[in-house]
Amino acid sequence: EPEVTQTPSHQVTQMGQEVILRCVPISNHLYFYWYRQILGQKVEFLVSFYNNEISEKSEIFDDQFSVERPDGSNFTLKIRSTKLEDSAMYFCASNRDSTYEQYFGPGTRLTVT
Amino acid sequence: DQQVKQNSPSLSVQEGRISILNCDYTNSMFDYFLWYKKYPAEGPTFLISISSIKDKNEDGRFTVFLNKSAKHLSLHIVPSQPGDSAVYFCAAYVGGANNLFFGTGTRLTVIP
Repeated sequence: EPEVTQTPSHQVTQMGQEVILRCVPISNHLYFYWYRQILGQKVEFLVSFYNNEISEKSEIFDDQFSVERPDGSNFTLKIRSTKLEDSAMYFCASNRDSTYEQYFGPGTRLTVT
Repeated sequence: DQQVKQNSPSLSVQEGRISILNCDYTNSMFDYFLWYKKYPAEGPTFLISISSIKDKNEDGRFTVFLNKSAKHLSLHIVPSQPGDSAVYFCAAYVGGANNLFFGTGTRLTVIP
């Protein structure tokens, strides 16, 4: 069964450093998403991406964040200058149509020290 | 911004009995609701969904009920199995938008 994959599973970085989280969505899916879950809190929407552009973003997704689909398979989330409060699990998701359920990857645990 | 609420952080049920997980929402614009299951160190796994035009959707042991007037939905698992032990998230869409609004989750423990 096809699945969303994410790398790395765990990323440790120092405050102020740039990080890139990578995702490979399910191959015939057209919509891509990033969510995050701070420890003990709910899963929160960051951004959605369709047709090579951002379709929606939340207040969390400020100028420090960017997304890119550099080729036909990868979907990346970049945080330009990480802060301590960026420490969280970051989940990538995809679906083939925005009206269908989203399928999530296993997540990347980002730890900012 | 608590548009989707799961007021029970945990629930314990004996194997073979019914598990009922509850979810309330405040945004009347939500028109599609989903339940996800999450194991530790894994991403949320889609379980079952329901459109706002329905009041019930069933898939094997899982049934979701929607009460639009009460802005309430519930997930019933019958019979409960130890492998069902996980955190269950309720989530909702506004039609035409892409982002899911999640509840805080309910940890279900099924006791053998």
